[in-house]
Amino acid sequence: ELKVEQNPLFLSMQEGKNYTIYCNYSTTSDRLYWYRQDPGKSLESLFVLLSNGAVKQEGRLMASLDTKARLSTLHITAAVHDLSATYFCAGTYSGAGSYQLTFGKGTKLSVIP
Amino acid sequence: AAGVIQSPRHLIKEKRETATLKCYPIPRHDTVYWYQQGPGQDPQFLISFYEKMQSDKGSIPDRFSAQQFSDYHSELNMSSLELGDSALYFCASSLDKGPSKWGNTEAFFGQGTRLTVV
Repeated sequence: ELKVEQNPLFLSMQEGKNYTIYCNYSTTSDRLYWYRQDPGKSLESLFVLLSNGAVKQEGRLMASLDTKARLSTLHITAAVHDLSATYFCAGTYSGAGSYQLTFGKGTKLSVIP
Repeated sequence: AAGVIQSPRHLIKEKRETATLKCYPIPRHDTVYWYQQGPGQDPQFLISFYEKMQSDKGSIPDRFSAQQFSDYHSELNMSSLELGDSALYFCASSLDKGPSKWGNTEAFFGQGTRLTVV
């Protein structure tokens, strides 16, 4: 059974600062996803990481994957208020019979002026 | 571009009533997933369908059932509703080409149905 752990669960950061959210997973995961969710809204796909060493960047967000350490990170550079949201990482394990997503608990990010 | 469509967006039901949630996947996507997200919780996988057949089952209560129809839309049927069933229910679709094959397996989520049981 795949387990996904995120930390921190809550993050309050000032605008302009950098920070990293960590995502550890318990068994071999076929791929690793990062999603953003605003309160009461849907899950917006940010990144899909498929292989060891994968790094993807979009704006102020950069995600990476280390399959040997079973670790993915989401790095936030020079945070702005618009980045305030909950960020979920999720893994898939095809051995379960489908590509169902197992989510971490989420990191609620608040960016303050 | 077409997205995953869910209906209704909001639903209020009383305890012990039944509810039906609908999901219309992205055209040509062959896999549908249902997730339940309680307040302040992470989404929990309920059930999935590939090519109209159930492909996987998660933490779906026996009171719930789901199916995927010939036009690929899916319905989640919920009976004997309990207060604890109040949650956001998401449907997601992907093009998986089968659970044992690599494909474009990124799942796209619908806007969700907010179910409130009173």
